[in-house]
Amino acid sequence: QVHLVESGGGVVQPGRSLRLSCAASGFTFSRSAMHWIRQAPGKGLEWVAVISYDGSNKYYADSVKDRLTISRDNSKNTLYLQMNSLRTEDTAVYYCVRVPNEAAGLNWLDPWGQGTLVTVSS
Amino acid sequence: AIQLTQSPSSLSASVGDRVTITCRASQGISKFLAWYQQKPGKAPELLIYDISSLKSGVPSRFSGSGSGTDFTLSISSLQPEDFATYYCQQFKNYPITFGQGTRLEIK
Repeated sequence: QVHLVESGGGVVQPGRSLRLSCAASGFTFSRSAMHWIRQAPGKGLEWVAVISYDGSNKYYADSVKDRLTISRDNSKNTLYLQMNSLRTEDTAVYYCVRVPNEAAGLNWLDPWGQGTLVTVSS
Repeated sequence: AIQLTQSPSSLSASVGDRVTITCRASQGISKFLAWYQQKPGKAPELLIYDISSLKSGVPSRFSGSGSGTDFTLSISSLQPEDFATYYCQQFKNYPITFGQGTRLEIK
């Protein structure tokens, strides 16, 4: 059974950094593209970033480019999101999401992790 | 970026009703559309991909249709567990985008 567990969320001051992790199990992580999707409190879904199965290709939403960095360690079955220069508008639940069937990143998304809440506040 | 506009934004219905949610794209997205269900406090779950393909295990009362820029999600006979928020998603181009969501409430 595919399982994605995010961690690393918390309360952080504006301008500070945070690193999220997503531990994957139940599938061949090294063959799967992965995404981060976020959801601000009471709001809709916003795509953040994607990374190819081998980490060679990455794409970002304009709103996070140059501040958030997606990466992966296939030896540890773990996805990361390094978040720098955080802003109040980055406050959201961050979901780690798999691209199924070893497809390319531009695809439907399944499954989603349970999410981790990041609160940026002074 | 491709914009997705869902209508209605909210909808009240009763158990047993048939409901339809619409998703309109700002440009043609071919077959690259999916639908998700999200219940309060939970992560979204995939219902339908490629416009009309039902994910394994999703009840057959859910169906999707459409083409080009106009798409619909239908639920043929609402069950109590169907009251949730629904999102469409396009994966034609980056950035991946979602509709703003349709909240389905019990009447």
